[in-house]
Amino acid sequence: EPEVTQTPSHQVTQMGQEVILRCVPISNHLYFYWYRQILGQKVEFLVSFYNNEISEKSEIFDDQFSVERPDGSNFTLKIRSTKLEDSAMYFCASSPYWTGGTGELFFGEGSRLTVL
Amino acid sequence: ELKVEQNPLFLSMQEGKNYTIYCNYSTTSDRLYWYRQDPGKSLESLFVLLSNGAVKQEGRLMASLDTKARLSTLHITAAVHDLSATYFCAVANTGNQFYFGTGTSLTVIP
Repeated sequence: EPEVTQTPSHQVTQMGQEVILRCVPISNHLYFYWYRQILGQKVEFLVSFYNNEISEKSEIFDDQFSVERPDGSNFTLKIRSTKLEDSAMYFCASSPYWTGGTGELFFGEGSRLTVL
Repeated sequence: ELKVEQNPLFLSMQEGKNYTIYCNYSTTSDRLYWYRQDPGKSLESLFVLLSNGAVKQEGRLMASLDTKARLSTLHITAAVHDLSATYFCAVANTGNQFYFGTGTSLTVIP
């Protein structure tokens, strides 16, 4: 069964360092998302991406964050200068379409980011 | 911003018992999703509810949606230990942005 894959599964970084989290969405999906979950808390929307551009972003997704789809398969989240409060599990998700469809999101296994 | 509230936040129940988790949301939406999350793991889709009155059942879990009341329920029948997990509801806005509830951590005790 097709699935969303994410790398790395866990990354430890020093505060101020740049981090890139990578995702390979399901191949025929058109919409891509990043969510994050701080330990013990709810899942929060960061950004959605469609047709090679950001379609929506939350207040969390400030200038330190960026997303890119550098080729036909990868979808990346970059954090330019990490802060302690960026420590969280980051989930990538994809969806085939939602207009007229279920809109269901399929989530990857997550990338745990620890900022020291 | 669409707000989603779940209750209870924590639920400890004995095997064989029934219980219901509630999910309330603040603005109109006709798409609601239930996910299960095991510790340290990803979100597994359980149910997709797309219209008022929708009811879905899978094993010991049954989900329903009342869009007029902005309420969804997840009913657990005759709980077993394997159902221990955190359950999230999520409501989608017109842009397919999902707003997640706070989650209900379920522990089923033998």
